[in-house]
Amino acid sequence: ILNVEQSPQSLHVQEGDSTNFTCSFPSSNFYALHWYRWETAKSPEALFVMTLNGDEKKKGRISATLNTKEGYSYLYIKGSQPEDSATYLCASRSSNTGKLIFGQGTTLQVKP
Amino acid sequence: EAQVTQNPRYLITVTGKKLTVTCSQNMNHEYMSWYRQDPGLGLRQIYYSMNVEVTDKGDVPEGYKVSRKEKRNFPLILESPSPNQTSLYFCASSLAGAGGRHEQYFGPGTRLTVT
Repeated sequence: ILNVEQSPQSLHVQEGDSTNFTCSFPSSNFYALHWYRWETAKSPEALFVMTLNGDEKKKGRISATLNTKEGYSYLYIKGSQPEDSATYLCASRSSNTGKLIFGQGTTLQVKP
Repeated sequence: EAQVTQNPRYLITVTGKKLTVTCSQNMNHEYMSWYRQDPGLGLRQIYYSMNVEVTDKGDVPEGYKVSRKEKRNFPLILESPSPNQTSLYFCASSLAGAGGRHEQYFGPGTRLTVT
């Protein structure tokens, strides 16, 4: 994988549903994987920065896991709420560059 | 309050008229970066800077210039704007210590229209 890819592109769930998204990134020269939450008309806000294979991070109902060997990360939202509606971005940084490559995002819509 | 500021927030200009979008942060961050956001293309990095006087190209640097003369400021310069540079621009900053594995703080965005 040369680029950062996210799936699905969009997701519609009911309030209370749990959901997850995938971020695939180049596994060679891996350095760090970022997750951001981006609400409409606002700026992206950081959720997690993950660096170690097997890392798991949690913030409230949101958690993320990291597999650097196979080049993927999952973001989980437990018991989705309407306020979780946003676009979730992941970004990968390789060790041989300061570039941060973003995926196209997963847009989540949570219906009350 | 810790923040990244950008000016202007909105700008409509004409092709070929040089412009500068300013970015400033008050968190003493070493790493600063510019992104553009276009529908269907996500955030794409234009330029980044690891520290004062150290800048490097991102994925879409053509048509842009940057400078990093002071730690807090990272202006984006469009010498001769063209309509394909119409976009939403974000500046971001982060610490660069410990290998740069730090979250980025984003500015409020600058919506640029080039006619």
